Amino acid sequence: DTEVTQTPKHLVMGMTNKKSLKCEQHMGHRAMYWYKQKAKKPPELMFVYSYEKLSINESVPSRFSPECPNSSLLNLHLHALQPEDSALYLCASSQVPGRGHQNSPLHFGNGTRLTVT
Amino acid sequence: QKEVEQNSGPLSVPEGAIASLNCTYSDRGSQSFFWYRQYSGKSPELIMSIYSNGDKEDGRFTAQLNKASQYVSLLIRDSQPSDSATYLCAGWDNDYKLSFGAGTTVTVRA
Repeated sequence: DTEVTQTPKHLVMGMTNKKSLKCEQHMGHRAMYWYKQKAKKPPELMFVYSYEKLSINESVPSRFSPECPNSSLLNLHLHALQPEDSALYLCASSQVPGRGHQNSPLHFGNGTRLTVT
Repeated sequence: QKEVEQNSGPLSVPEGAIASLNCTYSDRGSQSFFWYRQYSGKSPELIMSIYSNGDKEDGRFTAQLNKASQYVSLLIRDSQPSDSATYLCAGWDNDYKLSFGAGTTVTVRA
């Protein structure tokens, strides 16, 4: 069982809908991530939160809006998505990485399979 | 150039054989590398972490790190059909992002 929990597991939404993906971790990690993964491709980084502050935004379109309410929770708000946004959305957490020392791995949730119609 | 390169194409091995997967990286300062296993439609699952030169064994899996040659490898001994999955190599890059290789799909033939 994963210690990073994502809900919902599946989501189908129209292009005019607003929905949110949720992620919760109880590993004591202070870095949390959103990744997008298309079929037969590696995960693609979208956002990184470090100590509840947005530290990396990989030029993601504004129709994706992340939020980190506290150290255990991470949300991804979705609005006016396009069919090409259909993908597996992965949340992950880790200890905060830093230069000059060994860094811990990412621990992934089970993902949300998103279909935009 | 990507930080982590995983160029090996699909790999098909008979049950009981050794599967060998390879990965190279570009940043000599990188110290931490990971192998994830991903079943079709599922999320990546961490199977090995390696930080030091040499070999690290965990059950049927052995990870190898060679910092001089900048490569990381994973050996799966006594391959089982349940090992059929995509294996992703990953390493931290200069910008505190985990860089993933393209993945190697392994099929174990019964």
